[in-house]
Amino acid sequence: GQQLNQSPQSMFIQEGEDVSMNCTSSSIFNTWLWYKQDPGEGPVLLIALYKAGELTSNGRLTAQFGITRKDSFLNISASIPSDVGIYFCAGRTGTASKLTFGTGTRLQVTL
Amino acid sequence: NAGVMQNPRHLVRRRGQEARLRCSPMKGHSHVYWYRQLPEEGLKFMVYLQKENIIDESGMPKERFSAEFPKEGPSILRIQQVVRGDSAAYFCASSPPSYGTGELFFGEGSRLTVL
Repeated sequence: GQQLNQSPQSMFIQEGEDVSMNCTSSSIFNTWLWYKQDPGEGPVLLIALYKAGELTSNGRLTAQFGITRKDSFLNISASIPSDVGIYFCAGRTGTASKLTFGTGTRLQVTL
Repeated sequence: NAGVMQNPRHLVRRRGQEARLRCSPMKGHSHVYWYRQLPEEGLKFMVYLQKENIIDESGMPKERFSAEFPKEGPSILRIQQVVRGDSAAYFCASSPPSYGTGELFFGEGSRLTVL
């Protein structure tokens, strides 16, 4: 089946630092989504990408859809304590099909 | 959390009992997805339903698990004769019928604990 591998698995950074995480797949996807999950909550959509090469920003977040359609990265600039959580990438192969989720990157921000 | 309502938020069952989890999608959404998340893991797809139809159940265990999304009322994920390994967070997500952006909006989850 399809697998999405995220790296790194976890990160410990200081407030104000920039963060970069990525997601790779053995399969081609035509949609990439990035979600954040806080403890005890459901995933919340951060950024959606629909075209290979697309670069999209949402405030301090920037994500790119890889040219090969098998990868994506998410950058967070000037991290703040509320950025703490687990970040998941998710990919879809068709317009009416399920999302496949990555393994997650756990982010900890220290003051 | 984007209007998808799940209940109960927490459910405790003893081995062998039945668990029923409910999901009301966002207003105007007619596609519902169920995902399972084990502690410290990602979300695993279980089933995708539209009103009165199961579209994709490739992630559902073959036995004891069933899902429905009737014409009226919420979607139900039913687990019969629960075992300890069923303990997990179960998330429901919905998307609109036009499916234009392909984005899923998640509820806050139902956390099942099997004693």
